[in-house]
Amino acid sequence: QVQLVQSGAEVQKPGASVKVSCKASGYTFTNYYIHWVRQAPGQGLQWMGIINPRGGVTSYAQNFQGRLTVTRDTSTSTVYMEMSSLTSDDTAIYYCAREGSNDGFDIWGPGTMVSVSS
Amino acid sequence: SYELTQPPSVSVSPGQTATITCSGDKMGEKDTCWYQQKPGQSPVLVIYQHNKRPSGIPDRFSGSGSGNTATLTISGTQAMDEADYYCQAWDSSTPYVFGTGTKVTVL
Repeated sequence: QVQLVQSGAEVQKPGASVKVSCKASGYTFTNYYIHWVRQAPGQGLQWMGIINPRGGVTSYAQNFQGRLTVTRDTSTSTVYMEMSSLTSDDTAIYYCAREGSNDGFDIWGPGTMVSVSS
Repeated sequence: SYELTQPPSVSVSPGQTATITCSGDKMGEKDTCWYQQKPGQSPVLVIYQHNKRPSGIPDRFSGSGSGNTATLTISGTQAMDEADYYCQAWDSSTPYVFGTGTKVTVL
């Protein structure tokens, strides 16, 4: 079945970087964009960025410009989200989501909890 | 930047209609999606392109839009519909922006 499987929870110190993976299966990887969305504890959803797996072109939300990098590996159908210069405000669940042909985010990963604490 | 505003909470009795609004500049002209998120779970797409339902979403969920407001309506609300709901739209200034979220409580 169509699914996105994410890497496990992370604990990082302030100033460090984190890299989260999102492995797609059950569909043609290069046919659908992948987005990253985060949700801080008790808060709403925040869009972070997008990658076109076919050519690797990315676009990031203004808030994350300069410290967010999204990449992909077509050989393993995996998308990676790397964020640097972490602060406690980056403590959140990070989701990858597929943008379906209907323009909605039709498939979501289970989320990866990233905790930033000294 | 583009912002979408939703009421923090909506309460509804079982079997009644819940209406959730999403306000933003010219929101009625934008393709809107709605997501349902239950505690501890990932969001689920319930409406796309304003008023279309993905396969498997009950027809009690419907969407509409006009002017500066998009609306999600849940007709004949059931206890299982208790969740947080988020609208989403695309804007050139803030792509893929999400609304502030609405907690629907079925009393």
